[in-house]
This record gives sequence, structure tokens and C-alpha cells, in this order.
Amino acid sequence: AQKITQTQPGMFVQEKEAVTLDCTYDTSDQSYGLFWYKQPSSGEMIFLIYQGSYDEQNATEGRYSLNFQKARKSANLVISASQLGDSAMYFCAMREGGTGGFKTIFGAGTRLFVKA
Amino acid sequence: DAGVIQSPRHEVTEMGQEVTLRCKPISGHNSLFWYRQTMMRGLELLIYFNNNVPIDDSGMPEDRFSAKMPNASFSTLKIQPSEPRDSAVYFCASSSYSRNEKLFFGSGTQLSVL
Repeated sequence: AQKITQTQPGMFVQEKEAVTLDCTYDTSDQSYGLFWYKQPSSGEMIFLIYQGSYDEQNATEGRYSLNFQKARKSANLVISASQLGDSAMYFCAMREGGTGGFKTIFGAGTRLFVKA
Repeated sequence: DAGVIQSPRHEVTEMGQEVTLRCKPISGHNSLFWYRQTMMRGLELLIYFNNNVPIDDSGMPEDRFSAKMPNASFSTLKIQPSEPRDSAVYFCASSSYSRNEKLFFGSGTQLSVL
């Protein structure tokens, strides 16, 4: 069965430093997608980055990169040069299966606090 | 595009009352998802539809919950009768068949059952 594990309930990082948010997943499928979403205190859900299971290179989107280690079933999010606006809840998510409408499940989330 | 539109934004009701949450997905999207978010249980997938057809409702907690998608531009999530433990934020999200099928979320409905 699908499962997403985020073991860090809360993380602190100093402004301008990099931070890694951990995510491990469990699936028996060969084809799947991994996502990170951000939820600021306003409550909206914002897509950050995507990694497909067959993608050979780690995904990057601006200051966000996904450290994908397939054999270890981990998909950690790295945020470089943290900003105060990065303070938010971060969710790792997985879509099992290829394209064509499969469900996406979420981990418990990690709350990130960026200190000035 | 207007994005995923949910209504109402806030709903306060009394235990035993019927509650109906509404969602308008992004035009052209194939899939629609209903999630519930609570502090204790995080983001739970309740049900999802592909091309208006319910595919997986295994996350619907009880028979008190039902969801419909009568057409490609509208979905409802109904709770009847509502209970205090149903208090949560309910999100609707939609996606299109694509390489990543990322979810586009609505603003959510904050439901409080007294």
C-alpha cells in the first residue's frame, strides 16, 4: 500500500541558510510521481516541485530541489537560501501509477520556521 | 483561469444538520479530489473522480458522507447528519492528465459543527 512518511514535525533554519526536509515513501509500483506542496499560514496549498519515478535527474525549481534516491525510497526537499516567507507547512505527496488519473496521498507534513 | 472554486469558505452548523460543500474544478481538468485536513489526521483523501466517475471512495469515513459529480464543472460533498468530529478544512483539488498531474487546490471550506 502507498505510504508517505515525514519524520520531522518541525524544523528551524536560519535565514539565508539551506534546509532539507525529509520524506520517505513506500510503493510497489514502478511508475509513480512525487510532489512537494507548501501550505502557508493562510491555508492555501501551493505546488512546489515534481519528480517522476523514471526521471534520471533530480528535479529543481528555483530555490527548491528534490533529492531523489530511488533505492532508498526517499524524496527530500532542499530549500536553498531560506527566506522568512518560507516559514510554512510542507507536505510530501505521492501519486502511484502513471498518468491518467491516479490518487495522490500526502504525508503528515513538516512545519518549517525560518529565523531572522 | 479562475482556479478551483470552493463554496462556502466557512460553514458553521449544529450537530445533526445537513452540510453541502461545493466545488468547481478548473475547466478542462479530468480529475477531481476531495481532501479533509485536521490537526490529528493531516490531509486525508476522501474520494476522487475521473471524468465525472467516482474511482475510489475508500477514504469516505462513514455513510454519512456522500459525494457527487453530475458534470465536469461541479461537484458536491454532503454530510448528513453532521457531527462535531466532522469539523475540519475540506479541500477540493483538480488535475489534468499530464506528465506530472499536479493538484490545483481550492481555498478550502472551514467546517465547524457545534
